[in-house]
Amino acid sequence: GAVVSQHPSWVICKSGTSVKIECRSLDFQATTMFWYRQFPKQSLMLMATSNEGSKATYEQGVEKDKFLINHASLTLSTLTVTSAHPEDSSFYICSAREGESYNEQFFGPGTRLTVL
Amino acid sequence: GQNIDQPTEMTATEGAIVQINCTYQTSGFNGLFWYQQHAGEAPTFLSYNVLDGLEEKGRFSSFLSRSKGYSYLLLKELQMKDSASYLCAVLDSNYQLIWGAGTKLIIKP
Repeated sequence: GAVVSQHPSWVICKSGTSVKIECRSLDFQATTMFWYRQFPKQSLMLMATSNEGSKATYEQGVEKDKFLINHASLTLSTLTVTSAHPEDSSFYICSAREGESYNEQFFGPGTRLTVL
Repeated sequence: GQNIDQPTEMTATEGAIVQINCTYQTSGFNGLFWYQQHAGEAPTFLSYNVLDGLEEKGRFSSFLSRSKGYSYLLLKELQMKDSASYLCAVLDSNYQLIWGAGTKLIIKP
């Protein structure tokens, strides 16, 4: 099956710093990439959807100036959490889809962010 | 609004069978996914149903009834490694995945 990687797997940072998370599709071209956030014992919450070469579409309540998404190529999308605060501590998961909208999303392994 | 309901938690015994139900009310329907998620890990794909009926894949089967807005995931011959959360997700008319809150399955020896 298709493989999606994320880097880093976990990160601890100080409040006020920015953190960049990379999501890569290793063996397919990801037309669309999705960024999710998951708090403990809760379901996945979609943050934004990005198509290669265009601006990301953010879900309601997600600050686009705080969570910067760049989908510069068909194999790479990045999420930058700017001026992170303790409430941003969460599990961030990306997924990627090739081609049609009904195709399966392949998930990356996730990035656990802890902001001190 | 869009809504997906599944039980919060279920407990079953190793070697037994368990059925996890999912009901949905969404704006349009383009298929239903089941994912497995172990604690601290990302979800992994289990099944996709877009037509009514039962899809069998090894120990796991998934059923869909579009008229009832209902699906279930059936796990047979339960193993301890099946302890995980099981997420139901529906692809709506905009091809956006709407996620359920997940069912935590606890397997006891």
